[in-house]
Amino acid sequence: KAGVTQTPRYLIKTRGQQVTLSCSPISGHRSVSWYQQTPGQGLQFLFEYFSETQRNKGNFPGRFSGRQFSNSRSEMNVSTLELGDSALYLCASSSAGMYNEQFFGPGTRLTVL
Amino acid sequence: QKEVEQNSGPLSVPEGAIASLNCTYSDRGSQSFFWYRQYSGKSPELIMSIYSNGDKEDGRFTAQLNKASQYVSLLIRDSQPSDSATYLCAVTRYTGNQFYFGTGTSLTVIP
Repeated sequence: KAGVTQTPRYLIKTRGQQVTLSCSPISGHRSVSWYQQTPGQGLQFLFEYFSETQRNKGNFPGRFSGRQFSNSRSEMNVSTLELGDSALYLCASSSAGMYNEQFFGPGTRLTVL
Repeated sequence: QKEVEQNSGPLSVPEGAIASLNCTYSDRGSQSFFWYRQYSGKSPELIMSIYSNGDKEDGRFTAQLNKASQYVSLLIRDSQPSDSATYLCAVTRYTGNQFYFGTGTSLTVIP
């Protein structure tokens, strides 16, 4: 079974721009969660989508948004980029079944200049 | 109070020794517990999950859960240099609930 894939793997943007990141979950997984990881803050939860609906949301500003498509693929968007948005953005998929294990993709490394 | 707390380390053990990693959590309603390993520059990799009190063994790894004490640990036997990584503890209530991650413990296995 193929794992979680994320595109692009690396991105360089400038302040004020916007960016869209993509995540394809493991086949059959309907839950997709997004995390931001920085050296100082660790793994911070952004949001989780299940069956095209946002089910959980972390404590991030409205500049961070996401969506999920009918095939469970998910995108997250960050508008008006700030220097502090530089981070590794991770997507994790889960079958959302009884055991609820999450599996991470390789991540997208975003650098904001 | 943080949802999940881990000793950030760094923890250093000699090759062949037992490494012990600890995690405490604040939500008594937590039902599922996970350990992830993250190598520098890579994404977290699930290595153990545990759902009921007691021990769960998988190869050189043993996860221990004590819900009364709100404590979960990971033991790595016969530690190898390739075990050198950051270990993340994660908890969640049940399917559909958010995962909460600790900040991770950095482990170095010295050859």
